[in-house]
Parts: sequence; structure tokens; C-alpha cells
Amino acid sequence: GESVGLHLPTLSVQEGDNSIINCAYSNSASDYFIWYKQESGKGPQFIIDIRSNMDKRQGQRVTVLLNKTVKHLSLQIAATQPGDSAVYFCAETMIFGTPLVFGKGTRLSVIA
Amino acid sequence: GAGVSQSPSNKVTEKGKDVELRCDPISGHTALYWYRQSLGQGLEFLIYFQGNSAPDKSGLPSDRFSAERTGGSVSTLTIQRTQQEDSAVYLCASSAGVGGLYGYTFGSGTRLTVV
Repeated sequence: GESVGLHLPTLSVQEGDNSIINCAYSNSASDYFIWYKQESGKGPQFIIDIRSNMDKRQGQRVTVLLNKTVKHLSLQIAATQPGDSAVYFCAETMIFGTPLVFGKGTRLSVIA
Repeated sequence: GAGVSQSPSNKVTEKGKDVELRCDPISGHTALYWYRQSLGQGLEFLIYFQGNSAPDKSGLPSDRFSAERTGGSVSTLTIQRTQQEDSAVYLCASSAGVGGLYGYTFGSGTRLTVV
């Protein structure tokens, strides 16, 4: 499939290292945030979400941090694997209503 | 079906022609969304449908773009008189309701190339 973002910011990490992907969101009224992973030729897939009443949420090998003061989200991936190579998007919305608004994305490249 | 299905997966068209892109959502999902993804860009919202309510067309970039959803299921996005700047991947998603908590399931998209 075609690459979805040839001009995206790129983060290159060594296999086994931790990755941190950052995102600035735009709407201070947003109360729900999601990280998506998009592999080449596929649609975005849900990774992890967080509500605005939390500042941290952990999943399997992934952690999302939310700083509402500066409208910043980060996605941490522990022990990054080659299968983690993809484009990662943050998205914001409100729990009830409104479509998701996506950030521009970051390409993660894992060096084996 | 098990997922969101989009067709065609690739479409090459000549400038000025009309194109139709199809989306089959997950059965029972009441909300359906169209997004556009250009190279080097994030996903740009185009339009969404929720049940029998009037669609939210606020993201459509021009009146050359339109969409319909028949019978609360299949949706068609139509682009009239295509322009080169319409070249992008068009993604469809469905969810069990409108609102972030319902979660979106995306299709693999239609890559449109206008030559």
C-alpha cells in the first residue's frame, strides 16, 4: 500500500528502546483523546484512549500522558519492536458528540 | 461484515471526471464518517451520518463533494469534476454511536489519484 505521509515528522528508535511520541491538541473543550496507529495501506487502528479527568493511562507496553494545562499528549511505547513501525496519530473529541479531530501524525521507524 | 469495507481500493481518474467511493460499515453501526488523508497530512474530517439525522457536512471542502447513506447502511462519497488537489486517501469509519467513547473502526481507504 502507499505510504500515507511521506513528509511527516519521523522518530527513529533502536529496537528494544522506549519511544515517546508527542502531540499538541487544539481544543481546550476536548475531553477525550485517542492514539491511533496506521500501517501502510491500512486504516488507523485504536491503540489507547484517555479521558480529561485523568493524566495517565497504561495499556500493554503503551502509556498515554495528558497535560491539559499546555494541551499536550504523549504516547510512550516500551521496548519498541519492529512491528511498532507505523504512523501514529493523536485525536481529540468530546465524549458525547463531535467527530474526531486528528493531529498530523508522526512516523515511527524501528531500527532492528 | 466483520469490518468496514471500502471500494475501490484504488481509483485513477482524469481531471474533470466524477467519481464515486463506496463504504460498507459494520452491521448495526449507526454512525458513519468520511475523512480525507493527503500526503504529509493528518486525517481531515469531511462528513458524518448518525441514524436518521441530517448529516453533518461541515467538513466538505467544496460543493463538488457530496455523500449519501442509503438505508442507514452503505454510504457513497461523490466527487464531481475532480481536480488534482482531490488526490488523497479517502477513509471511512463507523461506530455504534456519535461520541468518542463509542470508538471508530476504519476501513483501509480508497486511494484516489486525479491525473
